[in-house]
Amino acid sequence: SYELTQPPSVSVSPGQTASITCFGNKLGDKYACWYQQKPGQSPVLVIYQNNKRPSGIPERFSGSNSGNTATLTISGTQAMDEADYYCQAWDSSTVVFGGGTKLTVL
Amino acid sequence: EVQLLESGGGLVPPGGALRLSCAASGFTFSSYDMRWVRQAPGKGLEWVSSISRGGSTYYADSVKGRFAISRDNSKNTLYLQMNSLRAEDTAIYYCARLNEVISPASDYWGQGTLVTVSS
Repeated sequence: SYELTQPPSVSVSPGQTASITCFGNKLGDKYACWYQQKPGQSPVLVIYQNNKRPSGIPERFSGSNSGNTATLTISGTQAMDEADYYCQAWDSSTVVFGGGTKLTVL
Repeated sequence: EVQLLESGGGLVPPGGALRLSCAASGFTFSSYDMRWVRQAPGKGLEWVSSISRGGSTYYADSVKGRFAISRDNSKNTLYLQMNSLRAEDTAIYYCARLNEVISPASDYWGQGTLVTVSS
């Protein structure tokens, strides 16, 4: 079965750029999306189709996907961005999530 | 305003059964594929099942043969029938809408309902 691999944790200083990676075999041939989840809340879509932002998502969130790696980039990271982030793709009619990355802003 | 409201969670013994519901409003329910995603305590997101607009169904290997997804477009409601429940099925269960325009992403999620499998 298809798998997506994320680093368990990433740390960033306020105002700096955070990059969260998602690795999967030939992931660049698929669409990747990203969700943000804060404690006690439901996931929120922040990037879809590799690099598109839903309405209401700040411009500091961006995405890319090439080769085997999709990347979520948060520029000018703010304290409110501290959360868990999950990548997701679609393979053979099944939905696949990465294991999640805890972003710490310190 | 799009809303998804799950219900039906609770405490059930191993081997038991439970039916979850997800009431949808604020959009044309029959025009969207839907999915169930779960999250075990302190763990990540796990896809459980999907159903297309036309009624085609898909399941994760971990629930295949035990869970059944269905929908009632006349009631704008999504269901998940869960049988032969195991301790590892303990999780918050979310329903989510799959927006074809932004596929394969889910643009709206419910607040979740907690299922606890324990004796």
